[in-house]
Amino acid sequence: GDSVTQMEGPVTLSEEAFLTINCTYTATGYPSLFWYVQYPGEGLQLLLKATKADDKGSNKGFEATYRKETTSFHLEKGSVQVSDSAVYFCALRGPKGGSYIPTFGRGTSLIVHP
Amino acid sequence: GAGVSQSPSNKVTEKGKDVELRCDPISGHTALYWYRQSLGQGLEFLIYFQGNSAPDKSGLPSDRFSAERTGGSVSTLTIQRTQQEDSAVYLCASSLRVSLVDTQYFGPGTRLTVL
Repeated sequence: GDSVTQMEGPVTLSEEAFLTINCTYTATGYPSLFWYVQYPGEGLQLLLKATKADDKGSNKGFEATYRKETTSFHLEKGSVQVSDSAVYFCALRGPKGGSYIPTFGRGTSLIVHP
Repeated sequence: GAGVSQSPSNKVTEKGKDVELRCDPISGHTALYWYRQSLGQGLEFLIYFQGNSAPDKSGLPSDRFSAERTGGSVSTLTIQRTQQEDSAVYLCASSLRVSLVDTQYFGPGTRLTVL
């Protein structure tokens, strides 16, 4: 079945550091790939997405490129801020018989210190 | 507001009691999803609705869990005879349709604690 593997956290960085959160997936067919962010006390919000190979999703300075050859969708940001502290979830959605139910990774907690 | 709302935000109950969790989706969204988020785990899919029907109930962990949706809007997740392992954050999401392109919008969740 479909699965998503994320690097375990927490990831602790100083402000303005470079961020990478690794995500790899296993799926049949050609799924769409997503990153969601969950700020403390809030629900998940879609951060960015990519729907086909070599697509790059970007939002709020975050980027991720859909790499079919390595089945990866790593999240990157050039300079993190304290306000980026949150839990980040990688997810995929494929046809799954028409339900398109997402498969989520376990989440990676990011802590950014001033 | 215009987002997905859930109530209550927190629920503490005793083992063996029944609980009801409510989700108000975004107006006009025909698809509604329930997930469970346990500490240190990802999101576990429970059930989804297309309109008022639930085509896929395969994620419900046991027959103590049930859900319904009325009027194509509000949904209620009911857990009977709660157990300590039911403690988790229950998240609801809605989308315009059940499709690959429609974004899921999540509510803030209900934190359930079973003592």
